[in-house]
Order: sequence, then structure tokens, then C-alpha cells
Amino acid sequence: DTGVSQDPRHKITKRGQNVTFRCDPISEHNRLYWYRQTLGQGPEFLTYFQNEAQLEKSRLLSDRFSAERPKGSFSTLEIQRTEQGDSAMYLCASSLVAGVWNYGYTFGSGTRLTVV
Amino acid sequence: AQSVTQPDIHITVSEGASLELRCNYSYGATPYLFWYVQSPGQGLQLLLKYFSGDTLVQGIKGFEAEFKRSQSSFNLRKPSVHWSDAAEYFCAVGAGSGYSTLTFGKGTMLLVSP
Repeated sequence: DTGVSQDPRHKITKRGQNVTFRCDPISEHNRLYWYRQTLGQGPEFLTYFQNEAQLEKSRLLSDRFSAERPKGSFSTLEIQRTEQGDSAMYLCASSLVAGVWNYGYTFGSGTRLTVV
Repeated sequence: AQSVTQPDIHITVSEGASLELRCNYSYGATPYLFWYVQSPGQGLQLLLKYFSGDTLVQGIKGFEAEFKRSQSSFNLRKPSVHWSDAAEYFCAVGAGSGYSTLTFGKGTMLLVSP
């Protein structure tokens, strides 16, 4: 088990471009979460999936953001028409449904997005 | 809505000295409380958690935390800090639909001086 993997680690993009990030959770984990962390802040919840179903979305997830988990395994987070305010660390985490509070989340190392 | 306050943005502790990081939460129901640590360029690692029962919980790396309902606090402690403990520490409360999402504080950066 290699933990939660996120790709890429860093992404620099020009304002207005679209970007897509990928997260590969721990294989047996059926829940997958996306969080965003800006400088000087703690992570903020964006959305989460149970298997392929997107069960909850934060108000932070504007119409420019879309997340998918098509086969209940890896997930992608796409940001369309990026803005400078989208610059942040995007963190993915996974957990078991039954043990979400017993074992907590396992976080990936994140994708750092810089919009110039 | 739930919230977490970490009043100290930065704390500097001498190596070998004791440490206490403060955390206050606001949540209407029984809280699920967590402490995570984040090293530069890394994801978050779970240090310890509290659900119920004994209010003093032990975690990894020699950390412990005490839940005080009357003070809405969940402070993190370590009796003797090592240089490798320098990192950012986040307190979080579990909430949301099915108690699945975490609300984090803004974090406390721990600096360890020789």
C-alpha cells in the first residue's frame, strides 16, 4: 500500500486556463475527500465521494470546479477558467466508511497550484 | 456551524522543554476532535483523536491531548520537544453529514530552538 497519491505535485498555470488534478486513494478505501488549503489557513472541505457517488459539496466549490470519481477508484478535480484566487494546495484524503472516525483520514501530499 | 480556534499562530519552544498547543472548538453536539501535523511540503498526519470516554488521549510521537467539555478545549501537549517536532499543527472537529467532514483551525506553527 503506497498511501494516497496525488499528481501532479506542483502546477503553474496562466489565469483562464483549465487544470485537472488526480488523486489515487488507498485501494480499499471507499471514501475520498478533496480539501483546499490556502496560505496561512487550515484545510477547507470541498467535496467527498463514497464509491462513485458525490455525497456532499461545499459552498466553496463554485461552478468552475468539478470533481469525479468514475469507477469508485481514482478521482479528478478540474478547475475551469482558473483565477489567481484558486492558487492553493489541493489535498486529497481517503478513508473507510465504517472507520472514518476510528482511523481518520489518510491525506496525500497535495497538489500545489499557482495561477499567474 | 462548527468552528475551531487555534489562538497561537506561532510558538517557539526550546528543545527539551514542554509544549502545549491550544485549541478551542464550537460545535452543538458531541464533538469528534483531532490533531494533525503537517511538515513542509507534506500532507497531514493524524497525531491523535477523541470521540468519547477517557478525556486524556495518547497519540503518536509522544503527544497527548486533553478534552475539557466545560472549556470547549482540546489542547495538545508533549513533555519534551525534539527538533524534529518543528512543523505546523492543526486541530480539527468532525462534523457534516454523517460526521464525515473535518473543520480545521488555522494552525499553529511550532518552531524549536536549540
